[in-house]
Amino acid sequence: GESVGLHLPTLSVQEGDNSIINCAYSNSASDYFIWYKQESGKGPQFIIDIRSNMDKRQGQRVTVLLNKTVKHLSLQIAATQPGDSAVYFCAEISRDSNYQLIWGAGTKLIIKP
Amino acid sequence: DAGVTQSPTHLIKTRGQQVTLRCSPKSGHDTVSWYQQALGQGPQFIFQYYEEEERQRGNFPDRFSGHQFPNYSSELNVNALLLGDSALYLCASSLQGGDTDTQYFGPGTRLTVL
Repeated sequence: GESVGLHLPTLSVQEGDNSIINCAYSNSASDYFIWYKQESGKGPQFIIDIRSNMDKRQGQRVTVLLNKTVKHLSLQIAATQPGDSAVYFCAEISRDSNYQLIWGAGTKLIIKP
Repeated sequence: DAGVTQSPTHLIKTRGQQVTLRCSPKSGHDTVSWYQQALGQGPQFIFQYYEEEERQRGNFPDRFSGHQFPNYSSELNVNALLLGDSALYLCASSLQGGDTDTQYFGPGTRLTVL
């Protein structure tokens, strides 16, 4: 079956530097990808999404890149701030999953002062 | 514009008891999905409600049931609680036929089963 996974469970970044969080997926038929941020004790917060017919999408301080050739997704956070500390999940949607979210395990982003 | 709300925030129950969790979707949304999230894990899909019916279900036993009301709010019921049911229960809302399939999450209900 399809799966979505993350390369690193924890990522430590210096405040002010850029962060890159990676995600691999296995279902080449996935239609839609979403990045969520989850702070401790809170529900996941939508960050940015990208459809499979795109390879890049930019938001405020965040950029998502999609490489369908190697089935890889990344989230780039510019000028990382203390408030960016959280667990980041990538999730995918496809017809194979009846358009339900398939989640990765999450990457914990730690900001060093 | 109110986001997704859930109640209660925290709940402590003992094994064998029953629990009801509540969710109000984001304004304008008509679909509610429920997830169980164990500590350090990604959310696991329980089921989804649309037009007051369960449309899809994940790999959860029948002890987990739900309901959606005409105002689109929803309840999650869990019977015969087990210790392993301790988790954060998340509700997410979305709009069928909307521009995206994006689900917006509530803050969750932390359930502890003793």
